[in-house]
Amino acid sequence: GENVEQHPSTLSVQEGDSAVIKCTYSDSASNYFPWYKQELGKGPQLIIDIRSNVGEKKDQRIAVTLNKTAKHFSLHITETQPEDSAVYFCAARLTGGGADGLTFGKGTHLIIQP
Amino acid sequence: EPEVTQTPSHQVTQMGQEVILRCVPISNHLYFYWYRQILGQKVEFLVSFYNNEISEKSEIFDDQFSVERPDGSNFTLKIRSTKLEDSAMYFCARGVGASNQPQHFGDGTRLSIL
Repeated sequence: GENVEQHPSTLSVQEGDSAVIKCTYSDSASNYFPWYKQELGKGPQLIIDIRSNVGEKKDQRIAVTLNKTAKHFSLHITETQPEDSAVYFCAARLTGGGADGLTFGKGTHLIIQP
Repeated sequence: EPEVTQTPSHQVTQMGQEVILRCVPISNHLYFYWYRQILGQKVEFLVSFYNNEISEKSEIFDDQFSVERPDGSNFTLKIRSTKLEDSAMYFCARGVGASNQPQHFGDGTRLSIL
């Protein structure tokens, strides 16, 4: 099955700086890579996703890059703000029917220092 | 605003008892998923459900687990004889179907087994 590795486990950055979180996956058949933000006491909230037919996607301060050859993808947050503090999870999903589950990374605790 | 509503938000149960967790989608979707998150760990896929049948299940989803959609609306996860290690957050998610489409999570039910 799929295995997703995520680094770092904790990331502390100064407010206004950029943050980068990296993930690798094992199964080349994966074709969908979402990123979720989880705040305390809440469920994972989808913030951005990328499909295997593109290499980069951007949404305001958030961007995701995908390297299918190397089987890794990254989340980039620019101009970080205090409200960006949360746990971020990457995930991967195999090609196939719509009922396939997501395989998650272990999460990155992002801390924005004022 | 989560796209699925989960009840209860917190469930405390004695070991060996049965527990039923509920999920109510806000819109009428066919694909549903249950995930589990043990405290401080990553989100893990349990089972997916499509057209009133289980489509995929992980090795975690053993014989003590079952899912159903009894009234065409609520989507339930039942744990027949709870164990201490079942203590976790349980998240319901809904999807639109294709493997490269997002899954949207509820805020979860915290299950505490005593």
